[in-house]
Amino acid sequence: QQQVKQSPQSLIVQKGGISIINCAYENTAFDYFPWYQQFPGKGPALLIAIRPDVSEKKEGRFTISFNKSAKQFSLHIMDSQPGDSATYFCAAHFTGNQFYFGTGTSLTVIP
Amino acid sequence: EAQVTQNPRYLITVTGKKLTVTCSQNMNHEYMSWYRQDPGLGLRQIYYSMNVEVTDKGDVPEGYKVSRKEKRNFPLILESPSPNQTSLYFCASRPGSLGLKNIQYFGAGTRLSVL
Repeated sequence: QQQVKQSPQSLIVQKGGISIINCAYENTAFDYFPWYQQFPGKGPALLIAIRPDVSEKKEGRFTISFNKSAKQFSLHIMDSQPGDSATYFCAAHFTGNQFYFGTGTSLTVIP
Repeated sequence: EAQVTQNPRYLITVTGKKLTVTCSQNMNHEYMSWYRQDPGLGLRQIYYSMNVEVTDKGDVPEGYKVSRKEKRNFPLILESPSPNQTSLYFCASRPGSLGLKNIQYFGAGTRLSVL
């Protein structure tokens, strides 16, 4: 059973557009929600993260929106650039050192 | 420079031949993990450790073993590999508390093929 559900599986956006990736979870004990960016041949790297007591977090062109009551969170990439083309994973942290990842979204930004 | 180093990067083996993938971190992190990444399934946690000699099962531990005898090292052992363990493996480490500067770092990955 997938603890964190991610959509869409793939996304194509024009340069300058907004990319939106959505995730949903069930376990209300999750206490930390990171987003990772992965380029081909590389390991995932933390992009931005949020805790459930915050509704929005912004870092540069990247924003996480968090809806605790709906148990959903999303990543928004403003002014998307070709260099943003990568696979994005949402994740959720449970007690100790347990992490559950979404299935990933392959983002392609067309010049 | 903060680093999680995995070796080897690529490995082809045959069913049943024991293998070890090494992982080392230079950040004095307490917590370490192993993940496998498969198309359409994302990353799934195999085992994790919260300190020396403290390890626990993740989501998909069957067929794997780990040990944490030193803080910096966290090897992944496949005692009798099978073809369904063909995957891309990542080691990760992080400090005890998560926050703005306290994040999880991933290694570059080990691509394993079991024939």
